[in-house]
Amino acid sequence: KNQVEQSPQSLIILEGKNCTLQCNYTVSPFSNLRWYKQDTGRGPVSLTIMTFSENTKSNGRYTATLDADTKQSSLHITASQLSDSASYICVVSGGDSSYKLIFGSGTRLLVRP
Amino acid sequence: DGGITQSPKYLFRKEGQNVTLSCEQNLNHDAMYWYRQDPGQGLRLIYYSQIVNDFQKGDIAEGYSVSREKKESFPLTVTSAQKNPTAFYLCASMGTGQEPNYGYTFGSGTRLTVV
Repeated sequence: KNQVEQSPQSLIILEGKNCTLQCNYTVSPFSNLRWYKQDTGRGPVSLTIMTFSENTKSNGRYTATLDADTKQSSLHITASQLSDSASYICVVSGGDSSYKLIFGSGTRLLVRP
Repeated sequence: DGGITQSPKYLFRKEGQNVTLSCEQNLNHDAMYWYRQDPGQGLRLIYYSQIVNDFQKGDIAEGYSVSREKKESFPLTVTSAQKNPTAFYLCASMGTGQEPNYGYTFGSGTRLTVV
């Protein structure tokens, strides 16, 4: 069964600290993996997208990694800011149709001053 | 600027009523999607459309209906058959080919509440 699992479910860190969010998937065949940031009550906003041949991609203080062999991805946030408080969603494209995306349930991050 | 517009932002429905959520995109994307999001859960696919005049059921299509008469528009109707419609609804579209056209873009969502 095509699934995307994220950990931890929630995370609290102090402003200025780094953190890493995890994403494991069982989607096959694999097309690409995306990380989104979703503020409460808003639509998700794309942070990164990686295909099979890419193993790291950065977007400012966000760096995503992908290990297609172990089917794992991580999102590293550097020098966290209060505005980083949001849900972070891992999304994998592939399976029986590249038009359908499989969503993780997200990691809720709270950055405290 | 290109993007996806969902309206209204908030919607209240009485039990037994049908309501329609609007989704319009000017990104020239072929594929459009509707998702439902409940607190603490991942997005669940309701319906999707790859081309005009064609759409497929997602994982939770019961109690919902859609149409795709124009490339730019993909309205979702929440019918009275949907027993638990209170949720946050997200519309998305996807292009194909090289980035950025390969991007998957979300609207800002509609929060539907049954009163």
